This record gives sequence, structure tokens and C-alpha cells, in this order.
Amino acid sequence: NAGVMQNPRHLVRRRGQEARLRCSPMKGHSHVYWYRQLPEEGLKFMVYLQKENIIDESGMPKERFSAEFPKEGPSILRIQQVVRGDSAAYFCASSFTGSSGNTIYFGEGSWLTVV
Amino acid sequence: KQEVTQIPAALSVPEGENLVLNCSFTDSAIYNLQWFRQDPGKGLTSLLLIQSSQREQTSGRLNASLDKSSGRSTLYIAASQPGDSATYLCAVGRSGSRLTFGEGTQLTVNP
Repeated sequence: NAGVMQNPRHLVRRRGQEARLRCSPMKGHSHVYWYRQLPEEGLKFMVYLQKENIIDESGMPKERFSAEFPKEGPSILRIQQVVRGDSAAYFCASSFTGSSGNTIYFGEGSWLTVV
Repeated sequence: KQEVTQIPAALSVPEGENLVLNCSFTDSAIYNLQWFRQDPGKGLTSLLLIQSSQREQTSGRLNASLDKSSGRSTLYIAASQPGDSATYLCAVGRSGSRLTFGEGTQLTVNP
């Protein structure tokens, strides 16, 4: 049973370009979460999605960031017109349900560098 | 707003020592608390999940306790090994929707 798969693992973008980060949850998991880890900071929640629905996006920056989890295919975190401050590790996690009894499993992250 | 604090920020111990990592949180209305391990350049590995109704969980050399009323959790590592060197993160959750993380304790176990 493969774990949470994220790609690309490392991504370099110039300022103003778009970054797309992909996440395939663990098999059987329908709940996906995105977290961001800025340099020298802790992980911060960004968004929680179920298939075709955004459940909680209270941690998403208001502009340039969007996320989706389509019926088929991976979840995508999209960052438009990237700036240097977007350089961070972006972690995806998944769980079987959204209840408190479920462990959340994390992927190995996508490291975005904006130059 | 939930805030999670981990003390110490860094810890260096000789191999074989027993050690305790501390985590505190400001809002006791949590559903669960989870301890993770993060290796450099890697993702997070879940170590232990404690439900709000539980007092502790054990896995091998690891034991985590939870005192919800005082807003504290500890992670006890017995007989530490160099392979335990990593950053340990504490996170509190409500339902499955979001976890609030502490900034971690960076542990180094010296051979």
C-alpha cells in the first residue's frame, strides 16, 4: 500500500511563474490536507479537501493560491505568480475519514524554490 | 486561537539515555494529539495518536501522555539511539480538518 505520493519533490520557479504541486492520497483515503512549512517555521494548515469539495480553506492565502481534489486524479495545489516568499516545503496529507480517530499520513513534501 | 509550544527547541543526549519532550497547548478543547517525527528533507512520520479521552499511548520505546485539562503532553523515549535523531513535532487536532503544530524539538542522540 503506497503512502501519500507527492510530486514534484523539488521545483524551481522564477518570480511570476506558476507552480503546480500534485498529491495522490493513500489508497482508500478520500480526505486530503495541504500544509506549508516556511524556512525556520512550523507547519501551517492551508486547506482540507474531499473529492470535488473544499471543506476548509481557512489557512489559504487569499490571492494566488488555489487547491482542488477532482473526482479522478490527484489533488493539485496551484500557486500563481509566485514570489520569493512562497519558497517553502509543501506537505500533503491524507486520512481515511475526517474523524478524530484517524491518523493523518503525510507525504514527503514538495520543496518549492522561487528565484 | 490554538497555540502549541514545544520545549526544548533542541536537545542533545548521549546514546542510551531516557528523555522527555514536552508539548503544551492553549486551548484544551482538542479532539486528539499526535506526535510526529521529521527527518531532514523528509516528510512526517506519525508516531503516536492520543484521543482526547485517552491518557497515554505506547509504541515500542515511545510513550506519549496527555493531560488535556492542563494542556500538556509529553513524549518519553527510552534507551535513546542515534537513529532517533530527528525533529519531533507535536500537533493537536479538532476532528480531521486541521492540525495545529508546534515548532518541534530537534533531537540529537550521540553515539
